[in-house]
Amino acid sequence: AQSVSQHNHHVILSEAASLELGCNYSYGGTVNLFWYVQYPGQHLQLLLKYFSGDPLVKGIKGFEAEFIKSKFSFNLRKPSVQWSDTAEYFCAVNAHSGGSNYKLTFGKGTLLTVNP
Amino acid sequence: GAVVSQHPSRVICKSGTSVKIECRSLDFQATTMFWYRQFPKQSLMLMATSNEGSKATYEQGVEKDKFLINHASLTLSTLTVTSAHPEDSSFYICSALEVGRIQPQHFGDGTRLSIL
Repeated sequence: AQSVSQHNHHVILSEAASLELGCNYSYGGTVNLFWYVQYPGQHLQLLLKYFSGDPLVKGIKGFEAEFIKSKFSFNLRKPSVQWSDTAEYFCAVNAHSGGSNYKLTFGKGTLLTVNP
Repeated sequence: GAVVSQHPSRVICKSGTSVKIECRSLDFQATTMFWYRQFPKQSLMLMATSNEGSKATYEQGVEKDKFLINHASLTLSTLTVTSAHPEDSSFYICSALEVGRIQPQHFGDGTRLSIL
């Protein structure tokens, strides 16, 4: 079974700092990769996704992520964070395995706090 | 678009009672819906996959008789926690897939269940 590891439980940054959140997965086959964000009191929202093609994926609100297949990684980045980016970020993997082409496995999440 | 409504958002009840949680796709049809459970500081754990008009598929370790799932229409799935006990207290989240799509999942706001 696949698993997803997010390295940081809580990241604290000041505004304008650069962000990189780590995500590694364990699965040897074809995967789709996602980052979801959950703002305080809100539901999970899709930030960006990778299905195929260019491994550098750009999402909403200036976020991007790079899929490095050899490292089984899909790290999330943003060059300059804002206070409004304070939220919990979840990495998720969908492994192409038989008939279960839509099940997601989530990481434990990383809480990002951006101080003004 | 792609809004998923989950109700109730919070419920507190006595041990032994049954609790029903509804998950509705408001502006799209969903053949498949998912039910997750999230413990504090843990990742979302998939409990079951709900398919319209057929029996739900439960993940290993999830009691079918404890967590009853009904997906009677293309816009509604319900999760009933039967004879709830304090250990069932958790945050339950549903998600839905639009008909004809395998990703991304659209998430509800979650239901905080507290059993006294």
